[in-house]
Amino acid sequence: DAGVIQSPRHEVTEMGQEVTLRCKPISGHNSLFWYRQTMMRGLELLIYFNNNVPIDDSGMPEDRFSAKMPNASFSTLKIQPSEPRDSAVYFCASSLKALDDGYTFGSGTRLTVV
Amino acid sequence: GESVGLHLPTLSVQEGDNSIINCAYSNSASDYFIWYKQESGKGPQFIIDIRSNMDKRQGQRVTVLLNKTVKHLSLQIAATQPGDSAVYFCAEIYDKVIFGPGTSLSVIP
Repeated sequence: DAGVIQSPRHEVTEMGQEVTLRCKPISGHNSLFWYRQTMMRGLELLIYFNNNVPIDDSGMPEDRFSAKMPNASFSTLKIQPSEPRDSAVYFCASSLKALDDGYTFGSGTRLTVV
Repeated sequence: GESVGLHLPTLSVQEGDNSIINCAYSNSASDYFIWYKQESGKGPQFIIDIRSNMDKRQGQRVTVLLNKTVKHLSLQIAATQPGDSAVYFCAEIYDKVIFGPGTSLSVIP
């Protein structure tokens, strides 16, 4: 298995632009998570899905952030419009069961908003 | 930009020595705990987990100890190697997963 695949690895964009981050979870995993990592806040859970359904989006910072999971093999995290404070590394992770299993993380997308 | 960041605890260990990384968790109802290792430029990697009905679990060169009385978790790495240099996170799980701030382990050759 190739593991959790995220794209792009790096993204540099101008403030105000739309940014879309992509994730392909491990085949057969039922839960998918989006995390943000910064020096200031560490690892923060933004949202997680179970069987493609959003379960907890309380970590999504504001309405500029949205996430979708149209099928079991694909998820997106969108920021519109992006702001410099959104600069961070965004990780996607998947697991067999949401709260009862270790996660497998992707390599992350390093987002820089200038 | 950010002018203040998390001050990660740092542990420096001589190669070959044992390392002990500590973590205090917050929720006494948390019933599942995981240690992750994050190397520079990579995502966190699962190392070992433990459930609340256990107080010790061993893996290959790693041991996790759980003390529910004081809400404390530790990760012991035997015969630490340069490849063990990374940031180590504990995570506690109840109705959500909460990651600790991490500890940076530096192995001195």
